[in-house]
Amino acid sequence: DTGVSQDPRHKITKRGQNVTFRCDPISEHNRLYWYRQTLGQGPEFLTYFQNEAQLEKSRLLSDRFSAERPKGSFSTLEIQRTEQGDSAMYLCASSLGEYTEAFFGQGTRLTVV
Amino acid sequence: AQKVTQAQTEISVVEKEDVTLDCVYETRDTTYYLFWYKQPPSGELVFLIRRNSFDEQNEISGRYSWNFQKSTSSFNFTITASQVVDSAVYFCALSNFGNEKLTFGTGTRLTIIP
Repeated sequence: DTGVSQDPRHKITKRGQNVTFRCDPISEHNRLYWYRQTLGQGPEFLTYFQNEAQLEKSRLLSDRFSAERPKGSFSTLEIQRTEQGDSAMYLCASSLGEYTEAFFGQGTRLTVV
Repeated sequence: AQKVTQAQTEISVVEKEDVTLDCVYETRDTTYYLFWYKQPPSGELVFLIRRNSFDEQNEISGRYSWNFQKSTSSFNFTITASQVVDSAVYFCALSNFGNEKLTFGTGTRLTIIP
């Protein structure tokens, strides 16, 4: 296990389509985080899980967005009815606990055309 | 509300020069955590340091050093004897609860010229 893995790395979709991204955290990491990063900006918090429980969601996460982490392992982030404003890099991170280092994946770059 | 300001958008220095990246934060909480991350062209964020609000001791790790000053709400990062591999975007971040809900600054793009 070499780190947090995200799939796909790049996704181009037409406006109005649904997309799903996957994040595989480092084994045994019980915390998993999703962030969104637009060009020239820092990452913005979207949501996080402790095991399978989704503990917090940002206001940025509209009702078109849903995240899951079944069985406390991998996580998926789904965006329904994509809009051009959804174009961004979606970053996933995991940590062993609240106060241990969070490791980030390389992200999924979404382009909505 | 929390806020992190990185006023330096881009910095270029010649290799072996020292460079300081500035970070100013705003929070109403007495307990908080400050972070620095490096984002190379490959995209993943690489953790550099976490400091809690009760520990104002400066820290040095090899060529990296951090200066935390609560009086000015700053958490600056200095790279000594810069190298080309240091070229990246550097982010300062703030949170109330360890790793939860990090608030990032807009980043500083550092270019080291050989």
